[in-house]
Amino acid sequence: QSALTQPRSVSGSPGQSVTISCTGTNSDVGGYNFVSWYQQHPGKAPKLMIYDVSKRPSGVPDRFSGSKSGNTASLIISGLQPEDEADYYCCSYAGSYTFGVFGGGTKLTVL
Amino acid sequence: QVQLVQSGAEVKKPGASVKISCKASGYTFTNYYVHWVRQAPGQGLEWMGIIDPSGGSTSYAQNFQGRVTMTRDTSTSTVYMELSSLRSEDTAVYYCARDLNPPFADSSGYPTYWGQGTLVSVSS
Repeated sequence: QSALTQPRSVSGSPGQSVTISCTGTNSDVGGYNFVSWYQQHPGKAPKLMIYDVSKRPSGVPDRFSGSKSGNTASLIISGLQPEDEADYYCCSYAGSYTFGVFGGGTKLTVL
Repeated sequence: QVQLVQSGAEVKKPGASVKISCKASGYTFTNYYVHWVRQAPGQGLEWMGIIDPSGGSTSYAQNFQGRVTMTRDTSTSTVYMELSSLRSEDTAVYYCARDLNPPFADSSGYPTYWGQGTLVSVSS
């Protein structure tokens, strides 16, 4: 199973919005509405931010949203805050009980 | 509160095996799948597989088929992950993570509550 494709890095200023893309295939992102996004700060465990393409677990700010079109999913972070600076990973179900094909990760820098 | 506590760091030689434990508390152990995910130094996340603590059934990622074994002990609410034939590329932090929801509910299959991670170093 190949990893999903994410940009290596994105950046934005406080208060701005950024979008992180995640491109897969018909066998993963495009085939199922089971895309999730994780935030990871250095030295910490990942944190689930989005699941089922666009749902937020309780406690995740509504500044974080997700969407999908075809084989590409997107994480949108609006009203950037300094604490949003982290690595972000997308993840998709890929059938046959393969729950986690991850993207390579995107480093978000808040300027 | 949901807690997963993993065993400590390990140093292994190439060709050896490692077995990591993950003790769960704060919820009904048999009601939620547990995932294993690893992260090599400076690299991204890699999903290894999943275990159903209720019946013990497992599903492994293709990259680990034949080398990984996930088991559970319901009497101690502990899941285990054993990786064999270790090579230097297996040096990584290994995480266990409980699923978001029970398998019989909507929106399951998402690692959500994570252990603290276990560093496995493989070196001759």
